[in-house]
Amino acid sequence: QQQVKQSPQSLIVQKGGISIINCAYENTAFDYFPWYQQFPGKGPALLIAIRPDVSEKKEGRFTISFNKSAKQFSLHIMDSQPGDSATYFCAASWGSASKIIFGSGTRLSIRP
Amino acid sequence: NAGVTQTPKFRVLKTGQSMTLLCAQDMNHEYMYWYRQDPGMGLRLIHYSVGEGTTAKGEVPDGYNVSRLKKQNFLLGLESAAPSQTSVYFCASRFGLAASYNEQFFGPGTRLTVL
Repeated sequence: QQQVKQSPQSLIVQKGGISIINCAYENTAFDYFPWYQQFPGKGPALLIAIRPDVSEKKEGRFTISFNKSAKQFSLHIMDSQPGDSATYFCAASWGSASKIIFGSGTRLSIRP
Repeated sequence: NAGVTQTPKFRVLKTGQSMTLLCAQDMNHEYMYWYRQDPGMGLRLIHYSVGEGTTAKGEVPDGYNVSRLKKQNFLLGLESAAPSQTSVYFCASRFGLAASYNEQFFGPGTRLTVL
């Protein structure tokens, strides 16, 4: 119940295309859903996050779509650029200590 | 501000050796976390701390100990290293309880190999 399932494991998208990464969860106690971006040799960094009381959040080319009834959320990267090539982790958080459960990660490659 | 820093960046140990990983943050954050990252498994929480002098177990605490004697530092210890502890270790910190401060800030990681 504490898992966050992420797919696909890897993704190749042409420059200018839309990248879509999907995640699913079981625990309805989760109250915060962040996406982290990680470049090789670096620590993860927060990209965008959403709370379950909204269905969509957009920041620039990055959008989270959230479906509370289906317990699913996804990251959409519009007009994907080579600089977006990185590993993306979805995550879910709950509780006062805001412990984060991470998905297994998606390695995204944007081809020029 | 340096943010979250980790020492060392790389380390090779032999089975049975001990070592301590140091995490330091200069953002006056209350909460600090230690994760390990393994291929295909995302990041898994080892231990965390909600304030100076406190520690708590995470998802995979066995074989590790931690201490938070000062607010800015969080130490991760391996008393008797095993090959299964070969991993990349990340420290993170977070401001506090307020909902708008849920973001965790990560350090650059420590790559540990146990032979």
